[in-house]
Amino acid sequence: DTGVSQDPRHKITKRGQNVTFRCDPISEHNRLYWYRQTLGQGPEFLTYFQNEAQLEKSRLLSDRFSAERPKGSFSTLEIQRTEQGDSAMYLCASSGAVQETQYFGPGTRLLVL
Amino acid sequence: QKEVEQDPGPLSVPEGAIVSLNCTYSNSAFQYFMWYRQYSRKGPELLMYTYSSGNKEDGRFTAQVDKSSKYISLFIRDSQPSDSATYLCASGGYSGGGADGLTFGKGTHLIIQP
Repeated sequence: DTGVSQDPRHKITKRGQNVTFRCDPISEHNRLYWYRQTLGQGPEFLTYFQNEAQLEKSRLLSDRFSAERPKGSFSTLEIQRTEQGDSAMYLCASSGAVQETQYFGPGTRLLVL
Repeated sequence: QKEVEQDPGPLSVPEGAIVSLNCTYSNSAFQYFMWYRQYSRKGPELLMYTYSSGNKEDGRFTAQVDKSSKYISLFIRDSQPSDSATYLCASGGYSGGGADGLTFGKGTHLIIQP
């Protein structure tokens, strides 16, 4: 399978704990995007990288959220001091030569108790 | 007002019918338009994309964009029960770094009745 992969697929945590998610983009895709999706809503853009450079961050990305893509390959999204409102599906997407066409992974479903 | 508006449905049609899904957008900076299909608890799957006003066809799917009225449509011919899913429209623009993150509608839940 050469699509976008995300790990873990599901995460249950207690309020106040830190969590980290990983995304592996399609091989040779230089752009990587993070989105958040809550029930009944479309995905909401959080941030994106071109290679290792983080080019844009949404105002949705509070100080408790941090994303990295240290070598321009996989990316991590960390949420510190989780809150119940952070419960959502966290989606990763990547794009390559055709920048506009973003291909999504299966998502990481987070539940904060 | 959200930048991309989409009726969440549900929209229920009989098998074989032509399905029309629609979105409107308000941001004139949007330059490209996408349709994704999302099955329950899965990631969105890219169906079609277009950059300009007019029609684009791919098999049973036709995407239509009217930039003058800021209207986006997806038509599905000969609908099948396997087409039952949530359909998301999305739009995007460009900044100094290239293609921006997408702005999505809420998604329309489509049900094809056998």
